[in-house]
Amino acid sequence: QVQLVQSGAEVKKPGASVRIACKASGFTLTSYYIHWLRQAPGQGPEWMGRIDPSDGGTIRAQKFLDRVFMTIDTSTDTLYMELRSLTVDDTAVYSCAREFGIVVGFDYWGQGTLLTVS
Amino acid sequence: DIQMTQSPSSLSASVGDRVTISCQASQDIRKCLNWYQQRPGKAPKLLIFEASSLETGVPSRFSGTGSATDFTFTISSLQPEDIATYYCQQYDYLPYTFGQGTKVEI
Repeated sequence: QVQLVQSGAEVKKPGASVRIACKASGFTLTSYYIHWLRQAPGQGPEWMGRIDPSDGGTIRAQKFLDRVFMTIDTSTDTLYMELRSLTVDDTAVYSCAREFGIVVGFDYWGQGTLLTVS
Repeated sequence: DIQMTQSPSSLSASVGDRVTISCQASQDIRKCLNWYQQRPGKAPKLLIFEASSLETGVPSRFSGTGSATDFTFTISSLQPEDIATYYCQQYDYLPYTFGQGTKVEI
């Protein structure tokens, strides 16, 4: 079955960087875009960017252009999202999600990784 | 960025009630709109795509209509397991954006 399993919760200080992992299984990774989103407490999801696992190409939201970097290790089918220059406003649950394939929707999500910046 | 405005922000209804949620886009997004259900502590679940198409396996009591800037999501007969927060999401323009959510309670 399709699974996206993320790395565990992180606590970071302002100014630091964090890298969150998302291991994919149960589907052909190179056939689907993988997106990264975050959700602050009590807020709707916020789209950060997406990676094309077939070639590593990325598209990032303008808001995160200089701070978010998405990569993939094709040998382990693991995707990574690095967020730099953290501030307290980056405290949120970060998720990877598979693009639906028919439209730009998200049909499978990771379990989420809580990042606390304090 | 496209702003997605949902109303109401929360509602309380009884089992069997018809529930309607509105989503308004700040500009024309054609039919490029999805609806999600998010239960507490869980990831969002895709229910409706392209404004009105039901995702596989989703009960038929869920439906969506609309185009351009005005969209509606309906639960025809509210069930206890429908307690959740519902979000709309546009994908016509980057960055993809979500509404702030509508919390449905019984």
